[in-house]
Amino acid sequence: AQSVAQPEDQVKVAEGNPLTVKCTYSVSGNPYLFWYVQYPNRGLQFLLKYITGDNLVKGSYGFEAEFNKSQTSFHLKKPSALVSDSALYFCAVSPRINDYKLSFGAGTTVTVRA
Amino acid sequence: DTEVTQTPKHLVMGMTNKKSLKCEQHMGHRAMYWYKQKAKKPPELMFVYSYEKLSINESVPSRFSPECPNSSLLNLHLHALQPEDSALYLCASSHEPGTAYEQYFGPGTRLTVT
Repeated sequence: AQSVAQPEDQVKVAEGNPLTVKCTYSVSGNPYLFWYVQYPNRGLQFLLKYITGDNLVKGSYGFEAEFNKSQTSFHLKKPSALVSDSALYFCAVSPRINDYKLSFGAGTTVTVRA
Repeated sequence: DTEVTQTPKHLVMGMTNKKSLKCEQHMGHRAMYWYKQKAKKPPELMFVYSYEKLSINESVPSRFSPECPNSSLLNLHLHALQPEDSALYLCASSHEPGTAYEQYFGPGTRLTVT
């Protein structure tokens, strides 16, 4: 069975500072990893994914994530956070490329203060 | 057009009512999904349609009945719901079935069962 952990319920940073949202996973075999963001009263928006290849993945809105197989982590990062990055962030994993079901983490609420 | 639309935005229904939620995408995606999301929680998969056929039913109660009339449309028919069914219902689509493909989410229908 696969699972995802987001160890922090909340992350608070000042605008302009680096932002990191942590994600660790447990899956047998090669994982397929995703980050989604949900703004208030909106659906989820895809940010980036790791399927294979380069461990550093670049995504939308200046976000990137690094796949670390030895630490089973896929942390989301942004070098300089904006107030508009305040939202709920979900990490998700699938163990197989043809699976239908993503396993989502519990979510991390990010607050960027001006 | 990278948009998934959902109607209505809000729905209040009594426990004896029958209503339907509608989802539409014009991206040529061949997989469509229904999720249920409680506040500040990750979305829970309900149904998956692959090439207009129901592929996954995550043991959802029969008071929820999905329908895929064509490749662009997805409906969720609701009947005799319970107050605990109150939630945000999200529709999503992906290029092909399988979790390796990112999902595009609609804004959701906020359902209140009275």
